[in-house]
Amino acid sequence: NAGVTQTPKFRVLKTGQSMTLLCAQDMNHEYMYWYRQDPGMGLRLIHYSVGEGTTAKGEVPDGYNVSRLKKQNFLLGLESAAPSQTSVYFCASSSLGPSSEQFFGPGTRLTVL
Amino acid sequence: QQPVQSPQAVILREGEDAVINCSSSKALYSVHWYRQKHGEAPVFLMILLKGGEQKGHEKISASFNEKKQQSSLYLTASQLSYSGTYFCGTGGQGGSEKLVFGKGTKLTVNP
Repeated sequence: NAGVTQTPKFRVLKTGQSMTLLCAQDMNHEYMYWYRQDPGMGLRLIHYSVGEGTTAKGEVPDGYNVSRLKKQNFLLGLESAAPSQTSVYFCASSSLGPSSEQFFGPGTRLTVL
Repeated sequence: QQPVQSPQAVILREGEDAVINCSSSKALYSVHWYRQKHGEAPVFLMILLKGGEQKGHEKISASFNEKKQQSSLYLTASQLSYSGTYFCGTGGQGGSEKLVFGKGTKLTVNP
């Protein structure tokens, strides 16, 4: 039982490049979330999903896209990376949304030059 | 709207107590508490739900005042392992599926 895993752990991009972050969970959770964490800002929600095939915008969705084609996977895409997207990205999952705990992945540290 | 946590930082000696507060301007359905150590992912501590239900670790205690839209996390007889940043996440009413997290409270426990 691996819980929530994220790929890759570290990445450096140049401005304008694209990339996809992969989040996978093996707990059969319906809800999945992508957050970014910047110093002093806490965790800010980018996008989330309440089940396979669904996605919704969070607090800071601009510049990101997501897909949830399979229940266990939640992908976060950056089409044209900008230095403002330098951050640590965390994926999380939960079984019952706000009524249940969120399990976080180990994070991806992304630097955009 | 982002909940407000106080204090922003606190320094304790081992064995001392601390209270971390979280307040919201909106009516709350749930309050979550997580702890994050440097370079690691946040780890679940407790959920408090409207109506009084609580789920979490036995050694952690917290309160949820629905009328005041506030929650407090109580850390008693602190240990070195309690050091880290504590986040509250609030879930609103109306079927909202997401949490909004505060900016965090940094707790340092010294020997």
